[in-house]
Amino acid sequence: QKEVEQDPGPLSVPEGAIVSLNCTYSNSAFQYFMWYRQYSRKGPELLMYTYSSGNKEDGRFTAQVDKSSKYISLFIRDSQPSDSATYLCAMTPYGGSQGNLIFGKGTKLSVKP
Amino acid sequence: GAVVSQHPSWVICKSGTSVKIECRSLDFQATTMFWYRQFPKQSLMLMATSNEGSKATYEQGVEKDKFLINHASLTLSTLTVTSAHPEDSSFYICSASVMGQGATDTQYFGPGTRLTVL
Repeated sequence: QKEVEQDPGPLSVPEGAIVSLNCTYSNSAFQYFMWYRQYSRKGPELLMYTYSSGNKEDGRFTAQVDKSSKYISLFIRDSQPSDSATYLCAMTPYGGSQGNLIFGKGTKLSVKP
Repeated sequence: GAVVSQHPSWVICKSGTSVKIECRSLDFQATTMFWYRQFPKQSLMLMATSNEGSKATYEQGVEKDKFLINHASLTLSTLTVTSAHPEDSSFYICSASVMGQGATDTQYFGPGTRLTVL
């Protein structure tokens, strides 16, 4: 079993839809959880950063962490064509700045106008 | 703020040659820089971690003599792929972070370098 599992998609939704992206993990030591957005042939861009369990909201994005189930989610409300990208989850036992980030394979999202 | 650049953005080279990739933090001084490799439809995999003025720490399975990392200053790290072979063809991405009080606990990624070895 891989440390981080993420459905690669592709996921196609109409503009305005609510998008749900998920990752599961096996290492209970993970404490810090991140979501990155990566456009084609570009580096990842940090979207959300959460520590331990709970919800965090930033604009149209909401990140959820359920440590008891080893499951994290990213919700995108009112999705836009500009949200079309690959979304990567990442996690680490240590701080996000300290390397050791374990990434999922990424979910490719396409938002159709 | 927190912009990381990489140069070149893409490079094609012949098998057996060496290629140098630069990673720069443009508007901040990075305590630590990281090098990742991403194969098509695969996760980013950490190759090595480097601190300014110190030797890089390589992840298990990464050949330090093949992937030479030089962290010359707080704003520049270079990765040299020596004697490149077709299996080294990949997307190489660097990231940089800042440690310390008040710093955002995250890594800032560069745009990546696409290496193709013929």
